[in-house]
Order: sequence, then structure tokens, then C-alpha cells
Amino acid sequence: NAGVTQTPKFQVLKTGQSMTLQCAQDMNHEYMSWYRQDPGMGLRLIHYSVGAGITDQGEVPNGYNVSRSTTEDFPLRLLSAAPSQTSVYFCASSYEGQGYGYTFGSGTRLTVV
Amino acid sequence: EDQVTQSPEALRLQEGESSSLNCSYTVSGLRGLFWYRQDPGKGPEFLFTLYSAGEEKEKERLKATLTKKESFLHITAPKPEDSATYLCAELNRYNTDKLIFGTGTRLQVFP
Repeated sequence: NAGVTQTPKFQVLKTGQSMTLQCAQDMNHEYMSWYRQDPGMGLRLIHYSVGAGITDQGEVPNGYNVSRSTTEDFPLRLLSAAPSQTSVYFCASSYEGQGYGYTFGSGTRLTVV
Repeated sequence: EDQVTQSPEALRLQEGESSSLNCSYTVSGLRGLFWYRQDPGKGPEFLFTLYSAGEEKEKERLKATLTKKESFLHITAPKPEDSATYLCAELNRYNTDKLIFGTGTRLQVFP
């Protein structure tokens, strides 16, 4: 089925560990974004990309890296996990741009202990 | 600072009892106002985009409207399957890389 696929669905990390959250879409969307969702704070933009080879920072980029080598994939890397990064992470893609008809993945629930 | 405030935080309705959700935004130069639906354990699902005051959009039992200061999501004769969290978000014309989300209204519709 067409859409945005995120893996893993759940992950527990120890403080200081690194990991990569995977995001792939098969809709040929140019625009992709990563958000985190925390209770009482709404969704916040971490990084985004307007096409292969182009990325930029969002509202809360510290502690995260991204790259966009292909149109389909947009992985999010946690460099050295901290408890403050415990959250639910969503990847989203769009044909037109940020917000417009976003298709979201089902999320990755990350716990850092 | 740009801010999106949604009210109420939670709403319980009887099936068939119509109501409205509110989304107030503070940005000047609004480029777009978006509504999403989010079911527990899932990512948000896009519903509507509104661009200018006076605009309305409908989808089944939902109708979204926009004024210069706020947007409403009207739910007519809701059914239990309408239970979800409804999110709104604004996009600023002057800072187009920053989509500001509200914290959502959690709607429960009981049979």
C-alpha cells in the first residue's frame, strides 16, 4: 500500500546510545519532514527536506541529524540519546510542501533510559 | 511568538449531538490553516486546508471554517467513529518552514 513507512515502531535506548529511525515513502513526494510529539506540546518540527540532497533544520533540531540521498528515504539519526528525546516520532511527506496534504507515518515510540 | 490554541482540550458528546471545536491562531500573514485527525497510536490524517477568511470546506459530518483570528471544526450529528484527537496547525507566510501545531482536542462520541 502506498504511504509512509516508519521503522521501528518501538525502541528503548540507553543514554548515550545512537540509532537511526527509518522513514520511506513510495508516493514520489519531494517534501519530507520529521516531527516529535510530546504530551501537552503538540507536534514540533525537527528537520525537513524539500528534495533529494536538500535538508534544513526545523524548530527542535539539536541532537538529531538527517540526510536525503534519495527521494524515497529520509532517515533520522540520534547522535547520543538523552532522556529528553523520549517521545513519539513521526515522519511525514507531501507533494506540495509543509502542511499541505501531509501523509504521516504511524510513528516510532522511543524511550531513552 | 506564533501560537495555536485549541479548545476545549477534551469534549464528550452523545451520538447525534452536534458541536464545534475551536482553533485560535496569532500569526499575522497566515498562509494556510490545516486540520488533521489523529487516532490513538497512529499518525495524523490530513482533513482540510483553509487559506483565507470566509473559506469553508466539508467532508462527511465535518465542516471547517476560517475567520481572521480563528478556525472552527463543526461536527454535525457525530458518530462513535468520529472519536479521535483533532489537530489544527498554521503556516506563516513569512516563515514558511515553521508549521505550528496546536495540542489538539480529544473528542469522544458515545452511542
